[in-house]
Amino acid sequence: DTAVSQTPKYLVTQMGNDKSIKCEQNLGHDTMYWYKQDSKKFLKIMFSYNNKELIINETVPNRFSPKSPDKAHLNLHINSLELGDSAVYFCASSPPVADYNEQFFGPGTRLTVL
Amino acid sequence: SQKIEQNSEALNIQEGKTATLTCNYTNYSPAYLQWYRQDPGRGPVFLLLIRENEKEKRKERLKVTFDTTLKQSLFHITASQPADSATYLCALNTGTASKLTFGTGTRLQVTL
Repeated sequence: DTAVSQTPKYLVTQMGNDKSIKCEQNLGHDTMYWYKQDSKKFLKIMFSYNNKELIINETVPNRFSPKSPDKAHLNLHINSLELGDSAVYFCASSPPVADYNEQFFGPGTRLTVL
Repeated sequence: SQKIEQNSEALNIQEGKTATLTCNYTNYSPAYLQWYRQDPGRGPVFLLLIRENEKEKRKERLKVTFDTTLKQSLFHITASQPADSATYLCALNTGTASKLTFGTGTRLQVTL
């Protein structure tokens, strides 16, 4: 029954490693997002895909690469992890853009880079 | 520069009172504004959306106002309960229709 799911929930890794976070939504939405929430709880958009096409790409290091194999999935791959990448990453989805509807968030993935 | 500020980082209120949270923005012209609730260790949950041509929206004990002249939204929780304790985030659509920019959040604590 989970609407937006993410795996893993926790990720602890060393600097320099490459890691991926997976996101799936079963709401039939066209648009999916990745957000980063830092230690001060500030939530900031990173990427958005609409029907597998990238539509929002904020100023994010190119070590971060989103991939959308189909409109129900949006994965985030991070290369050469740095200490500053430690944060909680949230995936979200929303219905068609024209409806101005709400975004549905996943439970988050807490990434800790040591 | 563009900013979205929520009145205070934390707000303490007694059960039964009305909590009022403020969201102020500068240098944006949003078509709509949303309010979300976030509990510790969880993702934000949508509460209400208000469009630029709407002055007020209500849902049960929640009320949102939107003043595009003052560039401000007020979020009210009437008859507040300890279960209302959470962080509340305002979000404006900025840029493309689906892009949301979030405020800094206000942590509300409702005590008995």
